[in-house]
Amino acid sequence: RKEVEQDPGPFNVPEGATVAFNCTYSNSASQSFFWYRQDCRKEPKLLMSVYSSGNEDGRFTAQLNRASQYISLLIRDSKLSDSATYLCVVNWWSSNTGKLIFGQGTTLQVKP
Amino acid sequence: DTAVSQTPKYLVTQMGNDKSIKCEQNLGHDTMYWYKQDSKKFLKIMFSYNNKELIINETVPNRFSPKSPDKAHLNLHINSLELGDSAVYFCASSQERSDYEQYFGPGTRLTVT
Repeated sequence: RKEVEQDPGPFNVPEGATVAFNCTYSNSASQSFFWYRQDCRKEPKLLMSVYSSGNEDGRFTAQLNRASQYISLLIRDSKLSDSATYLCVVNWWSSNTGKLIFGQGTTLQVKP
Repeated sequence: DTAVSQTPKYLVTQMGNDKSIKCEQNLGHDTMYWYKQDSKKFLKIMFSYNNKELIINETVPNRFSPKSPDKAHLNLHINSLELGDSAVYFCASSQERSDYEQYFGPGTRLTVT
């Protein structure tokens, strides 16, 4: 089983649509969770952290279910500029050192 | 005012050659990283340094050798390049720990022919 698993997509949606991405992780000891965004041929950038209680940032809502080891990202009212790859990221601690484990990413294409 | 910069941006070279990639961050961060993103888009950690000390060394061939002359710089030297080394290499930095926001450089696209 992959450490962090995502459906690679692509998800093709019209402008204004609501779209949801899911992600599962294998290490139940993981403590920190993130969504990063990567535009084509660019570097990844932090989109938002994911908290147990769920958190929202404008049109973006992230949820964490520790029992199911499942993370989600909901994008409401999609814009053309949301087209990118969304990377589910889990921080994995071992011997007092943490490292980020990235999923393969889910590609979103928002069409006019 | 680039936060994390890498040089070169593109690198095309032949098998067997030795090459280096340089990274610099002006954010005052303590921790720097090298990641490899392969053709399937998986981004994997290779090395991490905290204040010039190596703290993460993943299962990477010993042809890859990182070097951190100071906490603002982390270079990657690759000996005897192989076709499978072709990938995009990203440098990143964070304040103190890996679960703080990581800032990535623009990447170095390495092609080995």
